[in-house]
Amino acid sequence: DTEVTQTPKHLVMGMTNKKSLKCEQHMGHRAMYWYKQKAKKPPELMFVYSYEKLSINESVPSRFSPECPNSSLLNLHLHALQPEDSALYLCASSRGPPGQYLTKENEQYFGPGTRLTVT
Amino acid sequence: KQEVTQIPAALSVPEGENLVLNCSFTDSAIYNLQWFRQDPGKGLTSLLLIQSSQREQTSGRLNASLDKSSGRSTLYIAASQPGDSATYLCAVRPGGNNDMRFGAGTRLTVKP
Repeated sequence: DTEVTQTPKHLVMGMTNKKSLKCEQHMGHRAMYWYKQKAKKPPELMFVYSYEKLSINESVPSRFSPECPNSSLLNLHLHALQPEDSALYLCASSRGPPGQYLTKENEQYFGPGTRLTVT
Repeated sequence: KQEVTQIPAALSVPEGENLVLNCSFTDSAIYNLQWFRQDPGKGLTSLLLIQSSQREQTSGRLNASLDKSSGRSTLYIAASQPGDSATYLCAVRPGGNNDMRFGAGTRLTVKP
């Protein structure tokens, strides 16, 4: 299995809702990432988990709350979002944790994304 | 802070042409550089990864080169096909962490 899966594919939520995005990989990768991508812009890193511990938080507002219950699963909990948070949310994973030099250790594999619309 | 630039922003070519996409970065202290393809509204597909000690990587019709000292990489696509139409992103990994920096991408259209 060489895939990163994300659910749901599309999500529409109101500003008072609470929802969660889910990301899963079964490649034995030990690092997982959340990115946010606005239309016609490059992905921007939000969070990095390494060995199930949060290692990078790129100053993301607290209305986004990541969770890594186990090495295969990464969630992003959403609460009280704003319309400007509407974007494509991408999950990625890599074999090694941050800082690994070897090529295959830090090559990132991306999921198909969740298209989020906040109304 | 590492800045990554891709030129051109958009490119339209007839089928069969060979083409070059450019990526430049401001800080040459990188671990590696990765080229991705993204179809509209979809996730990213990794095409090639070049380690900082390497000069090029090849996969099928794709060839990526890296000149770390000048802060440049190119992605060469041979004999382009309509199925190659997508946005191509380059990303660099600076230093000892996994905080990849992406360029804004080149939107490629290959016309039949």
